Amino acid sequence: NAGVTQTPKFQVLKTGQSMTLQCAQDMNHNSMYWYRQDPGMGLRLIYYSASEGTTDKGEVPNGYNVSRLNKREFSLRLESAAPSQTSVYFCASRGDREFQRAFFGQGTRLTVV
Amino acid sequence: SQKIEQNSEALNIQEGKTATLTCNYTNYSPAYLQWYRQDPGRGPVFLLLIRENEKEKRKERLKVTFDTTLKQSLFHITASQPADSATYLCAPLRGTGRRALTFGSGTRLQVQP
Repeated sequence: NAGVTQTPKFQVLKTGQSMTLQCAQDMNHNSMYWYRQDPGMGLRLIYYSASEGTTDKGEVPNGYNVSRLNKREFSLRLESAAPSQTSVYFCASRGDREFQRAFFGQGTRLTVV
Repeated sequence: SQKIEQNSEALNIQEGKTATLTCNYTNYSPAYLQWYRQDPGRGPVFLLLIRENEKEKRKERLKVTFDTTLKQSLFHITASQPADSATYLCAPLRGTGRRALTFGSGTRLQVQP
């Protein structure tokens, strides 16, 4: 099993450009999450999705949109990238039952110049 | 609002000593708490879970305690090794896996040989 797969691994954008970060999981999980991680800030939740067709805002949703395309895939879109969105982005998924652990992708390192 | 606090300062210890990391939470009533390890450039990996009715949980050289009165969890690594050097994150949780999953900012542990 691949677990959680993120693409791309690295990306450089110019200010104002748009892009979509892709995430897919093969564990049949209902819940999926997007985080950003900045030095010294830990993981901050951007959006999450508890099931196909539903999404909810996390701690830092401004400047981002998400799509839960199907049960496997959860994408994060930057419509107009800003330097403040330079960060490492992680996707994660989790099963429904109580106590379930989260599984993370390898991350996407995004630089906005 | 809910808040999760971990020591922001890096913890430096000598090999063979016991490392103790702290996770404090406010405005939370978690039913369980998870600990994750994150190596540089990689996504977090689940280590241990402790439930509110468990005072202590052990796994090999790892020990976690959970004090719901103090609103605190302690994470201990005994006989620490340089390979234990990483950032450790805590996540207090309640309910099923279909909820937001938020983390403390993490504590970086450096074990000196």
